[in-house]
Amino acid sequence: DVKVTQSSRYLVKRTGEKVFLECVQDMDHENMFWYRQDPGLGLRLIYFSYDVKMKEKGDIPEGYSVSREKKERFSLILESASTNQTSMYLCASSLFAGGKTEAFFGQGTRLTVV
Amino acid sequence: AQSVSQHNHHVILSEAASLELGCNYSYGGTVNLFWYVQYPGQHLQLLLKYFSGDPLVKGIKGFEAEFIKSKFSFNLRKPSVQWSDTAEYFCAVNARTGFQKLVFGTGTRLLVSP
Repeated sequence: DVKVTQSSRYLVKRTGEKVFLECVQDMDHENMFWYRQDPGLGLRLIYFSYDVKMKEKGDIPEGYSVSREKKERFSLILESASTNQTSMYLCASSLFAGGKTEAFFGQGTRLTVV
Repeated sequence: AQSVSQHNHHVILSEAASLELGCNYSYGGTVNLFWYVQYPGQHLQLLLKYFSGDPLVKGIKGFEAEFIKSKFSFNLRKPSVQWSDTAEYFCAVNARTGFQKLVFGTGTRLLVSP
């Protein structure tokens, strides 16, 4: 079974802190994604990566950055956390195969910024 | 860039009722289409997918979806829902070529009453 593991289920951080969300997949997938999920807004893509050290902005990249130093690991960084970044964050991975593969999701990290 | 619209935000049905959830996408090129489901407290999982061929695709748990290219639609259907179908349903699309950015709709919360 494909496994996408997010390092934390729940996080509470203070405004202005630098926050790291970690995601690891064990299926040698090329593509990795970070989304945030908010009620009524669905999943919004923050960043995605299609290879090591390669990244593309999604629809809402402001206030976030990412790092992909190894194929299996994709990190989301909140440079200076703000209360409007309180949300559920989902990581996903998929094979690079013309998009014809499903994405596998982690359990999510619920981040609260106070 | 591709985008996805889901018109029903909340749907309430009684058991055995039929279900149809709307999904329309916007993109000038060829796409792959997906429906994902998120049961309460669980991670997102694939319900069904369409890449090419027969526009009527069948997924797990009795769900099916029909791709109508002329309408840019990929509606989800189930003839008879069960209480266990209570979940949030997301339509998603990615482009066949270029970056395989997976874009989601805003989701539909389905509540099935026993």
